[in-house]
Amino acid sequence: QVQLQESGPGLVKPSETLSLTCTVSGNSISSIYYWGWIRQPPGKGLEWIGSIYHSGSTYYNPSLKSRVTISVDTSKNQFSLKLSSVTAADTAVYYCARFADSPNWGQGTLVTVSS
Amino acid sequence: QSVLTQPPSASGTPGQRVTISCSGSSSNIGSNNVNWYQQLPGTAPKLLIYSNNQRPSGVPDRFSGSKSGTSASLAISGLQSEDEADYYCAAWDDSLNGYVFGTGTKVTVL
Repeated sequence: QVQLQESGPGLVKPSETLSLTCTVSGNSISSIYYWGWIRQPPGKGLEWIGSIYHSGSTYYNPSLKSRVTISVDTSKNQFSLKLSSVTAADTAVYYCARFADSPNWGQGTLVTVSS
Repeated sequence: QSVLTQPPSASGTPGQRVTISCSGSSSNIGSNNVNWYQQLPGTAPKLLIYSNNQRPSGVPDRFSGSKSGTSASLAISGLQSEDEADYYCAAWDDSLNGYVFGTGTKVTVL
């Protein structure tokens, strides 16, 4: 049973870079799946941030593309999200996910952007 | 900005059947499987239906999904008070190489 767990700071200052890590257990990060990030601002809907394929190819939401980087660390079976130049609008619950026929998500972590 | 379109709300009395629609395009629903998520207040979204019509273990058979062309539907039969939640459809989009979501539907049990 694959499990995903997000980790990272819960508070980030405006203009700084948000960094989160997703630790995967029960499945190799090198498996033939897309892995990625989703977020949900308070009281709003779900938004796909970006994905990385097992080959290392990355794909980003066009609305966030200029600020997003997703990378993989196969030695730790983890993948990471960096979102630069954050503002209050980036305050959200961030979920990491494995995109498969039956998708798997982490439990989510709230990141607040505030000084 | 959501790529898949859902009605903002749906409602029914206990025991009734409620249906939620999800409209997309050829690059997402038209060529990929649809998943449905249930989000109870204050909780993370839970996978309700995957691959158009499959239920994960533990999901009651009152929930069913279907897909036709570029649209999909979620049906809740025998509506119960605990079904009050937000429901989202989702699908992979080949143009984005990304996961797109519906606008979300709030289900109210009257």
